[in-house]
Amino acid sequence: AQSVTQLGSHVSVSEGALVLLRCNYSSSVPPYLFWYVQYPNQGLQLLLKYTTGATLVKGINGFEAEFKKSETSFHLTKPSAHMSDAAEYFCAVIRSDAAGNKLTFGGGTRVLVKP
Amino acid sequence: ETGVTQTPRHLVMGMTNKKSLKCEQHLGHNAMYWYKQSAKKPLELMFVYSLEERVENNSVPSRFSPECPNSSHLFLHLHTLQPEDSALYLCASSHVTGELFFGEGSRLTVL
Repeated sequence: AQSVTQLGSHVSVSEGALVLLRCNYSSSVPPYLFWYVQYPNQGLQLLLKYTTGATLVKGINGFEAEFKKSETSFHLTKPSAHMSDAAEYFCAVIRSDAAGNKLTFGGGTRVLVKP
Repeated sequence: ETGVTQTPRHLVMGMTNKKSLKCEQHLGHNAMYWYKQSAKKPLELMFVYSLEERVENNSVPSRFSPECPNSSHLFLHLHTLQPEDSALYLCASSHVTGELFFGEGSRLTVL
């Protein structure tokens, strides 16, 4: 069974500083991994995904994530935080079968950006 | 309209009411999902429909009843809910083997 652990339910960063959100997963098969962002009073928006190929994945809004199989990690980074990055971020692993895709989410990390 | 649209965005209901949440997707996807998002709890998958057939029901109480009349529409019928059912209900759609696209959610408050 797949599971996802996000270390830290809240992260506070200064504007312009590095954003690092940690995600570790467990999966019995090669995983498909996702990061979603949720702004206040909105649904989830896909930031980036890893399926196969290059392990460094670039997403929207300057975010990127690196898949490290040896560490079972898929940490999300952004070199310079912007006020608009304040949101909740969810890491997810997917289980696919003939019936469709089932995303298993981590508990989420809420990012606060200080001016 | 594009994407995944959910209505209503906000709903307040008493425990004896019957109401429905609606989801519509304009992406040509063939799978649709209901997720529940409660405070301080991970997102919970409730139901999955693939090609209009329910393929997963994660031990959801019978007071929640899904309906998928076609590949573009998904409903969640609500009946005799409890206050602990208050949450954000998120609809999503996908191709059978693609990533999920989410609606903006319906925030439900049960009094």
